Amino acid sequence: DTGVSQNPRHKITKRGQNVTFRCDPISEHNRLYWYRQTLGQGPEFLTYFQNEAQLEKSRLLSDRFSAERPKGSFSTLEIQRTEQGDSAMYLCASSYPTTGKYEQYFGPGTRLTVT
Amino acid sequence: GDSVTQMEGPVTLSEEAFLTINCTYTATGYPSLFWYVQYPGEGLQLLLKATKADDKGSNKGFEATYRKETTSFHLEKGSVQVSDSAVYFCALRIRTQGGSEKLVFGKGTKLTVNP
Repeated sequence: DTGVSQNPRHKITKRGQNVTFRCDPISEHNRLYWYRQTLGQGPEFLTYFQNEAQLEKSRLLSDRFSAERPKGSFSTLEIQRTEQGDSAMYLCASSYPTTGKYEQYFGPGTRLTVT
Repeated sequence: GDSVTQMEGPVTLSEEAFLTINCTYTATGYPSLFWYVQYPGEGLQLLLKATKADDKGSNKGFEATYRKETTSFHLEKGSVQVSDSAVYFCALRIRTQGGSEKLVFGKGTKLTVNP
């Protein structure tokens, strides 16, 4: 396994701009998760995909946020009209529910700074 | 709702000291419990896990026992090293009514080990 990868690793944008992040899960992992981590806090769940279906969205995911996983492989997270409060680390994780191997593996994250 | 409370840091220890980081949880049912570690500049890595009461997870000299009666999952290590300096997160895995799942994290405890 090559691990979960995320791009870009860092993104600086001006308030009001749109940004898109990409997550490539571990191959054959059919479950994919997005979390947000702000400074000094633990990650908070945003959304969950099983294959291409988005099965759960947190209340944290306002209508400015949208996530897709079009072919059940990579996923994108888009934030429209960014606000300074969106500054955070966005983490992606994947898992494959075989017996005893349900743990989530995390990518390195994309750090977003909104100026 | 489901939540995790962990010992606030930062924690500073000398090399070879004994480490305990307290973690308690509130959850319906019987969640799986995890400790994740985040080294400086890196993503979250799974350190250890336990899936049912009285299970003991262990890895790299760290241990934690799932205590249902006290709803706790305290992390311990008998002799810490400088390389253990990191932020440690306690987490529980819950299933939602919609059939999805997510991790709920504590706020993290920063550990610094001095030589």
